[in-house]
Amino acid sequence: ETGVTQTPRHLVMGMTNKKSLKCEQHLGHNAMYWYKQSAKKPLELMFVYSLEERVENNSVPSRFSPECPNSSHLFLHLHTLQPEDSALYLCASSQALQGMGNTIYFGEGSWLTVV
Amino acid sequence: AQKITQTQPGMFVQEKEAVTLDCTYDTSDPSYGLFWYKQPSSGEMIFLIYQGSYDQQNATEGRYSLNFQKARKSANLVISASQLGDSAMYFCAMREGQGGSYIPTFGRGTSLIVHP
Repeated sequence: ETGVTQTPRHLVMGMTNKKSLKCEQHLGHNAMYWYKQSAKKPLELMFVYSLEERVENNSVPSRFSPECPNSSHLFLHLHTLQPEDSALYLCASSQALQGMGNTIYFGEGSWLTVV
Repeated sequence: AQKITQTQPGMFVQEKEAVTLDCTYDTSDPSYGLFWYKQPSSGEMIFLIYQGSYDQQNATEGRYSLNFQKARKSANLVISASQLGDSAMYFCAMREGQGGSYIPTFGRGTSLIVHP
């Protein structure tokens, strides 16, 4: 059983749809992350939140909109996506934002297909 | 500049044998942490093992051990007695502690296939 849960696990959406990915962490952590993993590409950091404040927006297109209502929940709102946005989206959390020993724990991922 | 390098895109090992997955890193920060993750085909990234830059001994967690060679800036993962369930992608990652970016850096991964 993972301490970071993501829903839905699989999502198929049209380019004009609006959908959201949800992440919840049960570890009492203060930092949360969204990563994108495309086939044959390195893991890409999208957003970082620390104590509900966004501290990193890694040049992500505006069709991806994160929301962090509290330190346990993180959302990724999706609208007007492109087929190249199809990927595995991984949510993660860590005790704190900084510190060499802060392990990042990942969720099971949400497989997104844009048609 | 790439901070984490995993030079083996794919590795094969016979069940019950040991296998070493390579990872080299680049940092000028004296404080850093090194992590290994396993990602099965289901997608979840599973934390395996951690090594701090000041740790005197190599980290071990069950069948996993980290061969930490600081002078060579390498942090190879050793899996002993491989099992079929070890087949997965393996990622090396680094987190700098002082002055460096707090954003962890991941390598491109190594695909491990365990043969029966």
